[in-house]
Amino acid sequence: EVQLVESGGGLVQPGGSLRLSCAASGFTFSTYPMNWVRQAPGKGLEWISYISTASTGSTIYYADSVKGRFTISRDNAKNSLYLQMDSLRAEDTAVYYCARDYYTGGYSPSVFDYWGQGTLVTVSS
Amino acid sequence: SYVLTQPPSVSVAPGKTARITCGGNNIGSKSVHWYQQKPGQAPVLVIYYDKDRPSGIPERFSGSNSGNTATLTISRVEAGDEADYFCHVLGTSSGLPVFGGGTELSVL
Repeated sequence: EVQLVESGGGLVQPGGSLRLSCAASGFTFSTYPMNWVRQAPGKGLEWISYISTASTGSTIYYADSVKGRFTISRDNAKNSLYLQMDSLRAEDTAVYYCARDYYTGGYSPSVFDYWGQGTLVTVSS
Repeated sequence: SYVLTQPPSVSVAPGKTARITCGGNNIGSKSVHWYQQKPGQAPVLVIYYDKDRPSGIPERFSGSNSGNTATLTISRVEAGDEADYFCHVLGTSSGLPVFGGGTELSVL
């Protein structure tokens, strides 16, 4: 059974940093690209980042809203995906989901076939 | 950026057919994916590449896409289908994912 479990959310002050993790199991993590998608309270879904399969030298994309502030990475040996979030703003407050990309070995986002339960990030003073 | 427009809400009686639309400029030339999200839960993929169903998704869920409108159709609606539904495509210029604003399906 595919499982994605996010962790690392919490309350952080504006300008602060937080690192989210996503632990994957039930599939060969190293063969699937991964994504981060967020959802502000009561709002819709917003894709924010994609990483291809390699732990190093990956193809990476960011939404303009987080480019230059967030960094996506992965450790295939640990079956884990990460999101380093710096210079956080109030508008970054959201539930952050990791989502598996459908196409194994792809180099750009396609469709998200499995999602974790999400972790809540609250940016407030 | 590419904009997807969904009605905020759709209501349907049990046993009837619900149709949720997703409008976008020439969306028929794109691949559309649909997600179901129940309150407090993560999204679940229900239709991908316009009309394909993942394993475990009932045949009552179907999709179509033509012109400027993609449609998610839910036949013989059940109370358990109450949820928010989001459409998703890759943007025209960026090639990056774009979501519609979501449609709340209410079963009367």
